Amino acid sequence: RKEVEQDPGPFNVPEGATVAFNCTYSNSASQSFFWYRQDCRKEPKLLMSVYSSGNEDGRFTAQLNRASQYISLLIRDSKLSDSATYLCVVNKGGGADGLTFGKGTHLIIQP
Amino acid sequence: GAVVSQHPSRVICKSGTSVKIECRSLDFQATTMFWYRQFPKQSLMLMATSNEGSKATYEQGVEKDKFLINHASLTLSTLTVTSAHPEDSSFYICSARGIRHSNYGYTFGSGTRLTVV
Repeated sequence: RKEVEQDPGPFNVPEGATVAFNCTYSNSASQSFFWYRQDCRKEPKLLMSVYSSGNEDGRFTAQLNRASQYISLLIRDSKLSDSATYLCVVNKGGGADGLTFGKGTHLIIQP
Repeated sequence: GAVVSQHPSRVICKSGTSVKIECRSLDFQATTMFWYRQFPKQSLMLMATSNEGSKATYEQGVEKDKFLINHASLTLSTLTVTSAHPEDSSFYICSARGIRHSNYGYTFGSGTRLTVV
């Protein structure tokens, strides 16, 4: 089983629509969870951290289910500029600080 | 705040030569630096973790004698790819954690695209 699994997509979504991504992780020792955004051939940029209580940042809502080891991201009122690859990221846990990245979900917002 | 500068952004080298990549934290002290690489259509994979003043910890399958990491100061870490081969061609990216962070501390450099010919 991959450490972080995501549907690679692509998700083709019309502008203004709502889109949801999910990911699962295998390392139960992970304590920190994030969604990053990566544009083509660029470095990843933090979109938001994910907490068990769920958190919202503008049009973006993230949820974490520790029992199921499942993380989600919801994007409302999608914009053309939201087109990117969304990376589900967890820390390695167990005292190790590095991050484990999923392969990403490719999102294309269509006008 | 929390800016990490990585150089060079792009490098082409001949097979068998060595390439050094620099990663600098510009406005904070990076107590820990991470080096990742990303092959096309693959996820970023952690290569090694280095703490200032101590030897780097390498992930399984990463050759420490091939990928030399130096973290001699709180603002600079370097990755040297020794005797580079075409299969080392990849996107290498550093990340730093340290004092004075607002986003749980993982700030990434802009990456180095290495092509070995």
